[in-house]
Amino acid sequence: GESVGLHLPTLSVQEGDNSIINCAYSNSASDYFIWYKQESGKGPQFIIDIRSNMDKRQGQRVTVLLNKTVKHLSLQIAATQPGDSAVYFCAELPRGGKLIFGQGTELSVKP
Amino acid sequence: GAVVSQHPSWVICKSGTSVKIECRSLDFQATTMFWYRQFPKQSLMLMATSNEGSKATYEQGVEKDKFLINHASLTLSTLTVTSAHPEDSSFYICSASSQTSGNTIYFGEGSWLTVV
Repeated sequence: GESVGLHLPTLSVQEGDNSIINCAYSNSASDYFIWYKQESGKGPQFIIDIRSNMDKRQGQRVTVLLNKTVKHLSLQIAATQPGDSAVYFCAELPRGGKLIFGQGTELSVKP
Repeated sequence: GAVVSQHPSWVICKSGTSVKIECRSLDFQATTMFWYRQFPKQSLMLMATSNEGSKATYEQGVEKDKFLINHASLTLSTLTVTSAHPEDSSFYICSASSQTSGNTIYFGEGSWLTVV
């Protein structure tokens, strides 16, 4: 559902490790999901998307997994780099509806 | 690729004044644009859907008389914060989708508003 006014959870990883960021979505009618990266003071930047007829999609260093049974989405970043430090949002789009953002996770990469 | 541009990137205004933020789709036409508001360390909250040539659709709890939206052309939507107060200080972000790019959603870089 709509994100509420909570502070962002944080994930701290060592440079070179893999990162896994999780997201729970609420609308079982959502058929399109997007992961965004937002750096401080900037707008969201598209990372990767997935449709509900898929359960996995890979990009460059990133993989998105979709589990419709439990309405769960995850973003895996391989070999995390300092430049990956940012806030990551999942977003769901119900058919004919509006893009709804999840709570977000702040990723901090330690050199 | 498609780009959505916002202007200004940041603005400071006095309490009680109005401020306008522009959202432009630079190389595609957008019949629909969306306005979001984001407070520090929080997620993006959809404020309204801007429809070209018709009235905007506001989300529950968003005052339409406070946040005026005009979508006069297929490449421009404006958000005017009227009689701004310090609690209106926030990061405002717009997005637009490009039908020619498979309805890909593009976001602007955001506009920081500080009301003093």
